[in-house]
Amino acid sequence: NAGVTQTPKFQVLKTGQSMTLQCAQDMNHNSMYWYRQDPGMGLRLIYYSASEGTTDKGEVPNGYNVSRLNKREFSLRLESAAPSQTSVYFCASGVGTAGNTIYFGEGSWLTVV
Amino acid sequence: AQSVAQPEDQVNVAEGNPLTVKCTYSVSGNPYLFWYVQYPNRGLQFLLKYITGDNLVKGSYGFEAEFNKSQTSFHLKKPSALVSDSALYFCAVRGVYSGNTPLVFGKGTRLSVIA
Repeated sequence: NAGVTQTPKFQVLKTGQSMTLQCAQDMNHNSMYWYRQDPGMGLRLIYYSASEGTTDKGEVPNGYNVSRLNKREFSLRLESAAPSQTSVYFCASGVGTAGNTIYFGEGSWLTVV
Repeated sequence: AQSVAQPEDQVNVAEGNPLTVKCTYSVSGNPYLFWYVQYPNRGLQFLLKYITGDNLVKGSYGFEAEFNKSQTSFHLKKPSALVSDSALYFCAVRGVYSGNTPLVFGKGTRLSVIA
């Protein structure tokens, strides 16, 4: 029972490099989300996709882009990584109605040096 | 706007004692409320949620939470804490009429259960 799968789990980047975090869910969920977690800051929403074909900015979208490739997959791209983007990134998915639970992946640890 | 406050960064409790992790919320209209737990180096796991009905909600691992509309609170409780309950706990809210808008999370409370 895979649920939400994120890759890679760990990555070290140099400042200015680009990379894409991949996320896939096998629960036939409509909505998908990218959060970042930083000490003392809790979870902050970067981007979300309420349904296939739509994406919207969250609280901290600067420096990121997303692609909802199909219903299963939602990728997060850092075009020019900065040390401030060192964080743990979580992908999540949910059915998409107000009362429904969202389910998280195991996280991607990203360090930008 | 929706918001969640978890007033305690850290809660310490002795094993076997009852525990409470506090959460208050702000939302237009009625809320849907959630608790998640995060163990070290893992993703968030769903514990329980309040949708409607009984104000006392029971969830996984013996946890429960009480919805109090007048105090806009949704505190997480467990009658007898275990060392294995030590983790980071997040409260989250979404308004009933907010449709597809994302959950808003609190900053988290670290629970430490001491043997």
